[in-house]
Amino acid sequence: EDQVTQSPEALRLQEGESSSLNCSYTVSGLRGLFWYRQDPGKGPEFLFTLYSAGEEKEKERLKATLTKKESFLHITAPKPEDSATYLCAVCWGKLQFGAGTQVVVTP
Amino acid sequence: DSGVTQTPKHLITATGQRVTLRCSPRSGDLSVYWYQQSLDQGLQFLIQYYNGEERAKGNILERFSAQQFPDLHSELNLSSLELGDSALYFCASEATSGGRTYNEQFFGPGTRLTVL
Repeated sequence: EDQVTQSPEALRLQEGESSSLNCSYTVSGLRGLFWYRQDPGKGPEFLFTLYSAGEEKEKERLKATLTKKESFLHITAPKPEDSATYLCAVCWGKLQFGAGTQVVVTP
Repeated sequence: DSGVTQTPKHLITATGQRVTLRCSPRSGDLSVYWYQQSLDQGLQFLIQYYNGEERAKGNILERFSAQQFPDLHSELNLSSLELGDSALYFCASEATSGGRTYNEQFFGPGTRLTVL
C-alpha cells in the first residue's frame, strides 16, 4: 500500500493565487521528510528538509510545514516560474518518494 | 548546477543490449543513490551505495547491477535490455553532515535511455 501520498495530482493557479500542496504519510518513526522541485526532463532540485513535527522552513514564495501525519508546501503569490512538479520524500528506515503534484501557474 | 554529473545524457540502444551509466557525486559526498523515472511511474529507488559498499536495495531488477569505485564515482549496468527499461535514470549524492542517517540528496541531470 502507498505510504506516501501527494495531493492534488495537478494544480492550476493564476499568478498571485496562493495555494497548498499536501504530502501525507502513514509510516511510523519518521526520520525526515524532504521536498523537491522537478522541471520536465531534469533532475529533482532539493528545496527543504523537515525532521520533526512543528518544524517550518521557508524560501522565497515557498513554505514547508510538518505535522505527525502530513506536510504542506505552501506557495504564496506564485509566479509562472514556480510551475514544476513538486515531490515529497519520506524516510523511516527506507526512503520513498510520492508521485508528485504538477503545478502550473498562468500569467 | 547540483554538482552531480552523469554521463551520457542520452543513450539509444536495442533490446537485448547492455549499457553502463556513470555518475560522479558532489565532492565530499560518500553516498550515491540510483533512481529510475518513467512516464507512468514516479521516481523509483533502485539502489544505494555508501563509500564503496551497497547499503540499500529498492526495486532493482536482477538484470541491473551497480557499483561504487574507490574514487566514489558509481556505475549502473543495465543488461538484456527490454523496451520497458526506457526511462530517465538519475543518480543522487547525499549530503554527509549533521550525523543524521538521512540527509538531503542532490540529483544529477539524468541519463535518458531509449530502448528500440
